[in-house]
Amino acid sequence: SQELEQSPQSLIVQEGKNLTINCTSSKTLYGLYWYKQKYGEGLIFLMMLQKGGEEKSHEKITAKLDEKKQQSSLHITASQPSHAGIYLCGAGSGQSGTYKYIFGTGTRLKVLA
Amino acid sequence: ETGVTQTPRHLVMGMTNKKSLKCEQHLGHNAMYWYKQSAKKPLELMFVYNFKEQTENNSVPSRFSPECPNSSHLFLHLHTLQPEDSALYLCASSQVRGLNQGAKNIQYFGAGTRLSVL
Repeated sequence: SQELEQSPQSLIVQEGKNLTINCTSSKTLYGLYWYKQKYGEGLIFLMMLQKGGEEKSHEKITAKLDEKKQQSSLHITASQPSHAGIYLCGAGSGQSGTYKYIFGTGTRLKVLA
Repeated sequence: ETGVTQTPRHLVMGMTNKKSLKCEQHLGHNAMYWYKQSAKKPLELMFVYNFKEQTENNSVPSRFSPECPNSSHLFLHLHTLQPEDSALYLCASSQVRGLNQGAKNIQYFGAGTRLSVL
């Protein structure tokens, strides 16, 4: 079965620093979704990537999907304490009738002021 | 505000109690989900409902019983739970559930119910 592996598992950065989180799939991704979760709360949708080589940005967060559609990266520029939380990637897998939506293992980000 | 409301936000129950978690979505979505999130574990999908029909049950113990009376409401009935069932329970909804549906597969989550089983 398909799995999504995220790295690193946790990250502590100083405010103002750039950082990258990776999401790697064992199979081709049919839509890659990035979410953010604040501790003890629900997930908030950030961005969706569908095409190989696609890149999207929202404020200081940029997400990319590689050409082979098996790896995505989330890059935060000039991190702020408000960026702290758990970042999860999600993706669809399987064929019609056996469709599964799976989530990655998550990356816990802490930003030091 | 994501358009998905969960109640209660916090719940403490004994192992012999019966309680229910409620989820309501105001987004006009057709698919609804229950997830379990335990400390230091990946998000676990429990149940999926698509157009009010249960389409997935991921080997969830029978002490968890879902109910979907209509496309806007989802319940999780709890009885004789174990301490290891203590976790954050998240409800989500999406417009559809299926392959290559793009934005229609985006899931919108409630804030969750923090459950403690004593």
